[in-house]
Amino acid sequence: QVQLQQWGAGLLKPSANLSLTCAVYGGSFNGYYWSWIRQPPGKGLEWIGEINHSGSTNYNPSLKSRVTISVDTSKSQISLKVRSVTGADTAVYYCARLGTRFLKECSGTSCYNGNYRYGMDVWGQGTTVSVSS
Amino acid sequence: DIVMTQSPDSLAVSLGERATINCKSSQNILYNSNNRNYLSWYQQKPGQPPKLLIYWASTRESGVPDRFSGGGSGTDFTLTISSLQAEDVAIYYCQQYYSTPRTFGQGTKLEIK
Repeated sequence: QVQLQQWGAGLLKPSANLSLTCAVYGGSFNGYYWSWIRQPPGKGLEWIGEINHSGSTNYNPSLKSRVTISVDTSKSQISLKVRSVTGADTAVYYCARLGTRFLKECSGTSCYNGNYRYGMDVWGQGTTVSVSS
Repeated sequence: DIVMTQSPDSLAVSLGERATINCKSSQNILYNSNNRNYLSWYQQKPGQPPKLLIYWASTRESGVPDRFSGGGSGTDFTLTISSLQAEDVAIYYCQQYYSTPRTFGQGTKLEIK
């Protein structure tokens, strides 16, 4: 069973850089996109970005200028760096897997055969990051 | 970006009664390559990460009780709990993974009446 374990500094001063790491245990690392998602206190979920084993990334445009997501396939780990944090970056940060399911079916004249993404099926435990002077 | 809008923001339902949460996407999220709507529903309880309940708009994740069901297509979706149990008190989120950024709805807080 796949598990995600994450860690990183929990208390930062304004203008510092945030750094978190997420390790994948018990399953395949390749073939998936691995996401970072955050949740400010009492608020909803915000998708930060994702990376696959090849290092291909997608970022939320609202954070792209300050965020870097990287991968270390030798350790089955992904990392998140957010530069120049402010109080608005205070949140619980999660890593999660964008899972895929195999689908093989025909409907009418159309047939589908392959692995297709289906949702964030595995989540890390969350890391609380507080930004305060 | 695809904007996901949930309604209502909060909902109070009596035990054993039906609860329905709506989610609307600003664009069609039907993926033509497999004829599936790229929408998931998550349940989040305090202090826990979200848990995947429904994927492809209507398929229950393994282990999810069958009182949870999802429906809809294109831009309008629903999550229904057929008979509310005490353990269903939580915040529910929809999410589209059709395109990036993979946006979430603002959440619906479900409570017992």
